[in-house]
Amino acid sequence: EPEVTQTPSHQVTQMGQEVILRCVPISNHLYFYWYRQILGQKVEFLVSFYNNEISEKSEIFDDQFSVERPDGSNFTLKIRSTKLEDSAMYFCASSERRLAGGPMSGDTQYFGPGTRLTVL
Amino acid sequence: DQQVKQNSPSLSVQEGRISILNCDYTNSMFDYFLWYKKYPAEGPTFLISISSIKDKNEDGRFTVFLNKSAKHLSLHIVPSQPGDSAVYFCAASVTFGNEKLTFGTGTRLTIIP
Repeated sequence: EPEVTQTPSHQVTQMGQEVILRCVPISNHLYFYWYRQILGQKVEFLVSFYNNEISEKSEIFDDQFSVERPDGSNFTLKIRSTKLEDSAMYFCASSERRLAGGPMSGDTQYFGPGTRLTVL
Repeated sequence: DQQVKQNSPSLSVQEGRISILNCDYTNSMFDYFLWYKKYPAEGPTFLISISSIKDKNEDGRFTVFLNKSAKHLSLHIVPSQPGDSAVYFCAASVTFGNEKLTFGTGTRLTIIP
């Protein structure tokens, strides 16, 4: 069964350093997402991406964050200058089509296993 | 921002019995709802979904019920099995032009053998 993969599984970095988290979405999916879960808190939406551009982003996704689809298979999240509060599990997700078209439609986002980011 | 709430942080159920997990939402624009299951150190795994035009959706041992007037949904697992022990998240979205999922805080389900 196709699945979303993420690398690395665990990333440790010093505050102020740049990190890049990598994801390989399911191959026929067109919509990509990043979420994060700070320890003990709920899963929070960061950003969605379609057709090589951001379609929506949350207030968490400030100028320190960026996303890119550098080739036909990878989807990356870059944090330019990490802060202690960026420590969290970061989940990539993908879906085949957008949740649009009314309540008759709907699509499922499939999640990767996550990257645990620890900022020291 | 508590648009999706799961008021029970934990639930213990005997193996073979029914597990009922509950979720409430406040945003009346939500029209698509999903349940995810999560094991430690893994990503959320999709279980079942329901759109707002339905009040019930069933898939094997899993059934989701939606009560739009009460803004409430529930997940029934019957019979419960030890492998069902995990954290369950309910999530919601608005299908017109809004792709993001809004998650609840999760309920930790423990199945007692």
